[in-house]
Amino acid sequence: EPEVTQTPSHQVTQMGQEVILRCVPISNHLYFYWYRQILGQKVEFLVSFYNNEISEKSEIFDDQFSVERPDGSNFTLKIRSTKLEDSAMYFCATPRERNTEAFFGQGTRLTVV
Amino acid sequence: AQSVTQPDIHITVSEGASLELRCNYSYGATPYLFWYVQSPGQGLQLLLKYFSGDTLVQGIKGFEAEFKRSQSSFNLRKPSVHWSDAAEYFCAVGPTGNQFYFGTGTSLTVIP
Repeated sequence: EPEVTQTPSHQVTQMGQEVILRCVPISNHLYFYWYRQILGQKVEFLVSFYNNEISEKSEIFDDQFSVERPDGSNFTLKIRSTKLEDSAMYFCATPRERNTEAFFGQGTRLTVV
Repeated sequence: AQSVTQPDIHITVSEGASLELRCNYSYGATPYLFWYVQSPGQGLQLLLKYFSGDTLVQGIKGFEAEFKRSQSSFNLRKPSVHWSDAAEYFCAVGPTGNQFYFGTGTSLTVIP
């Protein structure tokens, strides 16, 4: 099965600090998603990205969040000033194309202290 | 509005017993339905999917699921559970626009 790779696997950061979560999607996939899962809760959609721009975002994805594909391969999620409630597992996902199943990375566990 | 309900938060079964995990959805059109499995500390792995056609779909690891439009359900089944099946299972529907909607998950414990 194709793999989506996320780094780091676990990051601990102090409240107010900026974090960047990285994802290497499957090479020929064009859509990229970020999801998060707060411990014990459901997997929630954050944002989708296509053709180098955000195509859809949820109410969770406020001005503290941003995404980009800086070098044509990596796909990053930046949280500008982390809050305690940002502590969660963050998943990158890419479908092969629109309206197909998404392949998820193994996730980055973000802990804000 | 689109939503997915997994009524069972936690299920415990004995190894070798059969398993059924329930999933009900609310969706405005013909849904695309998925089951994902998440082992501890791991990402989400696709078990199976339904897009169209035969309503009984086969997946990996011996799992199957049946789409029942009249009941808005997509229950996951396995005839004989193995200890390695212990994990969190998520039902999902979509995508709508660009996003998938996930249920809250069912945690499966397998006892010897």
